[in-house]
Amino acid sequence: KQEVTQIPAALSVPEGENLVLNCSFTDSAIYNLQWFRQDPGKGLTSLLLIQSSQREQTSGRLNASLDKSSGRSTLYIAASQPGDSATYLCAVEDGETSGSRLTFGEGTQLTVNP
Amino acid sequence: DAGITQSPRHKVTETGTPVTLRCHQTENHRYMYWYRQDPGHGLRLIHYSYGVKDTDKGEVSDGYSVSRSKTEDFLLTLESATSSQTSVYFCAISEPFDRGTNTQYFGPGTRLTVL
Repeated sequence: KQEVTQIPAALSVPEGENLVLNCSFTDSAIYNLQWFRQDPGKGLTSLLLIQSSQREQTSGRLNASLDKSSGRSTLYIAASQPGDSATYLCAVEDGETSGSRLTFGEGTQLTVNP
Repeated sequence: DAGITQSPRHKVTETGTPVTLRCHQTENHRYMYWYRQDPGHGLRLIHYSYGVKDTDKGEVSDGYSVSRSKTEDFLLTLESATSSQTSVYFCAISEPFDRGTNTQYFGPGTRLTVL
């Protein structure tokens, strides 16, 4: 059974700092890995999707990398801002499940202090 | 934002009563999903649908049933609510052109409290 782990569970940084969030998964036979953002009391917003054949994806100040063989992904946030404060979740779609289902990590709660 | 609405947004009910949550989409996406989110467990899949009248179980399907009679609507029913079903429920949709590009879009969630 696929398991997804995110470290750290919580992170507090000063504004302007570059930071890295980590995600690991136990079964490397994945189709893709997605990073989501969740604001308090809200639904999830898709940030980046990395296909299994890709090594990284970029969107603005966000860069996500994928090392499928080692079961790891990182989300790099450059020049963090207070508006980046949210919970970040990673999820994998793997070959064991049918119907395009995702397995989620529990998330990293990020606080960016002004 | 993807056109996904969930109703109700908040509900308080008593143990043993039936509850139905509705997810409505305007994107004409083929796949729809129901998740629950709980502290310490993250998001877990309850049921999903890959077309009208086509549904399958997820990781935590016991005590839940679903129906999809139209592309745009996916209903989640708790036949007899229990306190362990107190949670935040999220609906999601996707249109997987292929397995590598299956981005899921989420609704705003329904907070359900079972007393």
